[in-house]
Amino acid sequence: GAGVSQSPSNKVTEKGKDVELRCDPISGHTALYWYRQSLGQGLEFLIYFQGNSAPDKSGLPSDRFSAERTGGSVSTLTIQRTQQEDSAVYLCASSLGAGVRNIQYFGAGTRLSVL
Amino acid sequence: AQSVTQPDIHITVSEGASLELRCNYSYGATPYLFWYVQSPGQGLQLLLKYFSGDTLVQGIKGFEAEFKRSQSSFNLRKPSVHWSDAAEYFCAVPISGGYNKLIFGAGTRLAVHP
Repeated sequence: GAGVSQSPSNKVTEKGKDVELRCDPISGHTALYWYRQSLGQGLEFLIYFQGNSAPDKSGLPSDRFSAERTGGSVSTLTIQRTQQEDSAVYLCASSLGAGVRNIQYFGAGTRLSVL
Repeated sequence: AQSVTQPDIHITVSEGASLELRCNYSYGATPYLFWYVQSPGQGLQLLLKYFSGDTLVQGIKGFEAEFKRSQSSFNLRKPSVHWSDAAEYFCAVPISGGYNKLIFGAGTRLAVHP
């Protein structure tokens, strides 16, 4: 079946602009995660959604970052007033459930470049 | 707090040689442990996982890993490396709290010489 789909695969933007990154999880997966992969910080957790529960936003680096998940499926990560340090690969993952035994399946990521 | 250390940033091996990638963890209880692989331009793919039971776990692509509680290690091994194994490898543990927010090591980039 289809895996986790992310779009766009690459995004180049100018400093100060807003960007939206999209994630389509595997059908039926109730948990969705966003991670950021950057040269300086490695792989970092950003935000987690599980069903209709309030999201865990503990990894978001600043209030310029926000995310939503509509209808328990598609998720959008929004970065406002982008800065050069936001340049990274943003990875989305989904899992069947929320417990630790639920394997996370990752998308190919969106490479964001802020000029 | 949980943490994961991958001491080797880069490793180069010859095709056909054996491979061992190191992973050390810090975890308050019996950990859940994962190894993921990331090929260039790709997302992360799960190679194998340890939850409990047999300390030697088998994964995809001929990889295995051994959980050693006394050494707080979960090293990844392969007896004979193929050129297609060139990629970046990440060890991960979930943070405690009821779900699997993952903490990743810094990764080990593997190069394979023909």
